Amino acid sequence: DAKTTQPPSMDCAEGRAANLPCNHSTISGNEYVYWYRQIHSQGPQYIIHGLKNNETNEMASLIITEDRKSSTLILPHATLRDTAVYYCIVGPNAGGTSYGKLTFGQGTILTVHP
Amino acid sequence: DAGVTQSPTHLIKTRGQQVTLRCSPKSGHDTVSWYQQALGQGPQFIFQYYEEEERQRGNFPDRFSGHQFPNYSSELNVNALLLGDSALYLCASSSTSSDTQYFGPGTRLTVL
Repeated sequence: DAKTTQPPSMDCAEGRAANLPCNHSTISGNEYVYWYRQIHSQGPQYIIHGLKNNETNEMASLIITEDRKSSTLILPHATLRDTAVYYCIVGPNAGGTSYGKLTFGQGTILTVHP
Repeated sequence: DAGVTQSPTHLIKTRGQQVTLRCSPKSGHDTVSWYQQALGQGPQFIFQYYEEEERQRGNFPDRFSGHQFPNYSSELNVNALLLGDSALYLCASSSTSSDTQYFGPGTRLTVL
């Protein structure tokens, strides 16, 4: 699995956009980029994933560079409840079957301030 | 629609004992993965079960074993517990139509 690099911590003011970067320079053609977050002592929460196109859902937007070597997770209007550890993970996609492990790194601790 | 559920929530055991943790996948999911998360670390993949068989395994000793039942629920068994097995154990489920794994709340295991 490709490795990812994330900043260890970031701060954001409440109501502002939070932009969390991730480098995955060794990503291969069939690997998705997944983002999860984990609030203290809870199970990781799925946020969004993408292959090569930008994606948006009710939680966030995912911007993937054209060469797929990096991505940015955008929380458009951060709230205090968005304070969590955010994990960027590159995972295999075996043709749509449920397959493969998620390799978590240390993630980015996002702190949203009032 | 119930999400992934795990039991028990918390568990305290002593060294050398054996423990069984349980997981019920999200409705419509047929694949279960187990992860161990030590304090301050990211989750580490233990193994994944599909069609009642272990499909992939991480770097964990044979003391860690599992089972998947016909209703897709799963158990994680750990034998001869060590102090270092103290961790949050997470179960995640997914389906054959999607690779996205959804996590349960976890079981906090403390080994004394």
